[in-house]
Amino acid sequence: NAGVTQTPKFRVLKTGQSMTLLCAQDMNHEYMYWYRQDPGMGLRLIHYSVGEGTTAKGEVPDGYNVSRLKKQNFLLGLESAAPSQTSVYFCASLPRQGTDTQYFGPGTRLTVL
Amino acid sequence: GIQVEQSPPDLILQEGANSTLRCNFSDSVNNLQWFHQNPWGQLINLFYIPSGTKQNGRLSATTVATERYSLLYISSSQTTDSGVYFCAVLTQGGSEKLVFGKGTKLTVNP
Repeated sequence: NAGVTQTPKFRVLKTGQSMTLLCAQDMNHEYMYWYRQDPGMGLRLIHYSVGEGTTAKGEVPDGYNVSRLKKQNFLLGLESAAPSQTSVYFCASLPRQGTDTQYFGPGTRLTVL
Repeated sequence: GIQVEQSPPDLILQEGANSTLRCNFSDSVNNLQWFHQNPWGQLINLFYIPSGTKQNGRLSATTVATERYSLLYISSSQTTDSGVYFCAVLTQGGSEKLVFGKGTKLTVNP
């Protein structure tokens, strides 16, 4: 099993550009999450999904959109990137809510100039 | 929402020393996890421990759910233990969101 993978690993954008981050998991997990990590802030939840075709807002959803068309993939989109979105983005998955360990991808380092 | 506080924010040790990291949370939880983020940014699961005590080598963790805290013990620390340790909780009542503390940054010097 590859576990949780993220594409790309690094990206530099100019203000106003758009991009999509892909998270894929091969563990048949129901729940998937997108977090951002900024210095001194821990991890903050952007959006999450409890199953194929469902999404929900987390703590800091503004400026981001997500889609879960397939159970194994969770996409995070930035329609018009802003410097405030410079961060490290982590994807995670969980097999059952409340009863197991969350597994993280390796992260995507995004810089918006 | 639930508040998760970790202490101390920073900790510097000499190799071989022992340490205790604390996580306090403000509401009842049905899932608590400890993670280690290494200096390369990778997040590694340490323990899934909503209650009780677990041990894995030099690391152990105890959660006292009724008193709303968890402790992570590191014994005979090594330089490879350096990094940031995060506590994260899922609240009871059906929330699927894992809320993180701000972490404890551990530096182990040779």
